[in-house]
Amino acid sequence: SQQGEEDPQALSIQEGENATMNCSYKTSINNLQWYRQNSGRGLVHLILIRSNEREKHSGRLRVTLDTSKKSSSLLITASRAADTASYFCATPRGGGSQGNLIFGKGTKLSVKP
Amino acid sequence: KAGVTQTPRYLIKTRGQQVTLSCSPISGHRSVSWYQQTPGQGLQFLFEYFSETQRNKGNFPGRFSGRQFSNSRSEMNVSTLELGDSALYLCASSQSSGTYEQYFGPGTRLTVT
Repeated sequence: SQQGEEDPQALSIQEGENATMNCSYKTSINNLQWYRQNSGRGLVHLILIRSNEREKHSGRLRVTLDTSKKSSSLLITASRAADTASYFCATPRGGGSQGNLIFGKGTKLSVKP
Repeated sequence: KAGVTQTPRYLIKTRGQQVTLSCSPISGHRSVSWYQQTPGQGLQFLFEYFSETQRNKGNFPGRFSGRQFSNSRSEMNVSTLELGDSALYLCASSQSSGTYEQYFGPGTRLTVT
């Protein structure tokens, strides 16, 4: 079953604009991760936020986590055509295993030049 | 360091056949996980291996099996292929079972006709 659910499913913006994607999850977590996937290829890890963190930055990426609402958001600032990809949130299933991730269905981002 | 490699990259098989996919993790990584990605079900966890032991298994039928070798390389096998097994199969590695960040390979695109 899917833990994370991303919103929106698809997003189309112009280069230079900001893109915001949201993720909701169902159970308690110790961390939440965001990944990017280009055109059905492998996933690339973008950022990890731990349950005791509220906000984290990495370059043009900003992630927030609200554990009371079981939700996270990913903000990409000053977007570029190269940011066109699908973005997924993922949470560990738990039980001491971190290699067992539950992924959402993803947000497909299209950045037009 | 070289990234995660998966072979073959593309595969076409006939219903009823069996297939073996291979994954070589990043040097030094001991944990390998496999995921199936389809348009309908999204990314779903198949198995996780650590030091040649299967730590977790996803909700897939027994036709799906895997193993890990002493050099951390991993294989997964699907027997009696069905049309619904057509998917992108992704392998991911991490430094240890307690490390959160997963490094994904480019995937093997399996088409069952």
